[in-house]
Amino acid sequence: GAGVSQSPRYKVTKRGQDVALRCDPISGHVSLYWYRQALGQGPEFLTYFNYEAQQDKSGLPNDRFSAERPEGSISTLTIQRTEQRDSAMYRCASSVAWGQGGYEQYFGPGTRLTVT
Amino acid sequence: EDQVTQSPEALRLQEGESSSLNCSYTVSGLRGLFWYRQDPGKGPEFLFTLYSAGEEKEKERLKATLTKKESFLHITAPKPEDSATYLCAVQATGRRALTFGSGTRLQVQP
Repeated sequence: GAGVSQSPRYKVTKRGQDVALRCDPISGHVSLYWYRQALGQGPEFLTYFNYEAQQDKSGLPNDRFSAERPEGSISTLTIQRTEQRDSAMYRCASSVAWGQGGYEQYFGPGTRLTVT
Repeated sequence: EDQVTQSPEALRLQEGESSSLNCSYTVSGLRGLFWYRQDPGKGPEFLFTLYSAGEEKEKERLKATLTKKESFLHITAPKPEDSATYLCAVQATGRRALTFGSGTRLQVQP
């Protein structure tokens, strides 16, 4: 079946602009995660949703970063007033609910964000 | 704070030359330890979950093992198609976030 999809795959924006990154999880996966991955590093946790509820946002670096998942399916990660240090690969992952299987998370292909 | 350290950073093997990758971790309480494979330009691909010390999981030429302080990914008779970055991650009890190591870049030469 279809995996996690993300759009756009590449985004170039100017410093100070807002960007919105989209994630469409695997069908039936109720949990959704956002990570950020720097080159040569493993993914770093940003935030997590269970259905539409944002349950953990401890990894969001500052208040310019926000995420939503209003209908419990597609999620949007928004970065306001982008800065060059925000340039990275942003990855989305999804998983089944607790108690319905393993705890593994399945990752999408990512959005490469470049802030100029 | 949960921490994951992977070694070596890079490993070059000849086809058929078996070896092991190491993942050392500290976590407040371990719910699970995960191994992922990542090919260039792609997202991490799930391989294994290990839940308790002594557990082992196998898939083709890969076998993952777990102790209370570390995990090993053993690669038996590797092939060039096994070349990738292998990532280890831990999940603490009570949390859903994964804490990843920096990965081991494996290159298998024919």
